[in-house]
Amino acid sequence: QKEVEQDPGPLSVPEGAIVSLNCTYSNSAFQYFMWYRQYSRKGPELLMYTYSSGNKEDGRFTAQVDKSSKYISLFIRDSQPSDSATYLCAMEEGAQKLVFGQGTRLTINP
Amino acid sequence: EAGVAQSPRYKIIEKRQSVAFWCNPISGHATLYWYQQILGQGPKLLIQFQNNGVVDDSQLPKDRFSAERLKGVDSTLKIQPAKLEDSAVYLCASSLDWGGQVTSYEQYFGPGTRLTVT
Repeated sequence: QKEVEQDPGPLSVPEGAIVSLNCTYSNSAFQYFMWYRQYSRKGPELLMYTYSSGNKEDGRFTAQVDKSSKYISLFIRDSQPSDSATYLCAMEEGAQKLVFGQGTRLTINP
Repeated sequence: EAGVAQSPRYKIIEKRQSVAFWCNPISGHATLYWYQQILGQGPKLLIQFQNNGVVDDSQLPKDRFSAERLKGVDSTLKIQPAKLEDSAVYLCASSLDWGGQVTSYEQYFGPGTRLTVT
């Protein structure tokens, strides 16, 4: 079993839709939870950062962490074509060692 | 602020040949990371340096991969000899790692080097 599982998609939705991206994990020692966005031919860039359980909102993006279920989510409201990218969840138990999910390829259709 | 620089951007080699990748992190960043990202997968950490010392190289295939970070600034990752399964994007990242704030630990990624082994 992989430490972090993420549905690879691909996921295609119309512009304006609400998008839900999810990851599950097995290591209960993970404390820090991140979402990265990766455009084609580019390196990942940090989108959201959450410590422990709870919700965090940043504009159209909301990150949720449920440590009891070992489940994290990223919601994108009012999705835009510019949101088309691969979204990677990542987790860390300490010492900045990130464990990434497989990535979900998202396409927003105008 | 300039980002993480990597070169070359693309490299095609035959199996059993050697190859080297170069990374220049963001100025002042203490920690440097090399990741391997195989097509359709998330990045996997190969090695982590803090200044010029190795923090974690547990996933580095040491029989063929080597990395160094001389003078605690830029870094080189080498593969010798290359295998077909080494075809991937090699990403370099850096983080500040001082100041006590959570944001100090954010990893900034370079554009990567796409390696094809034939």
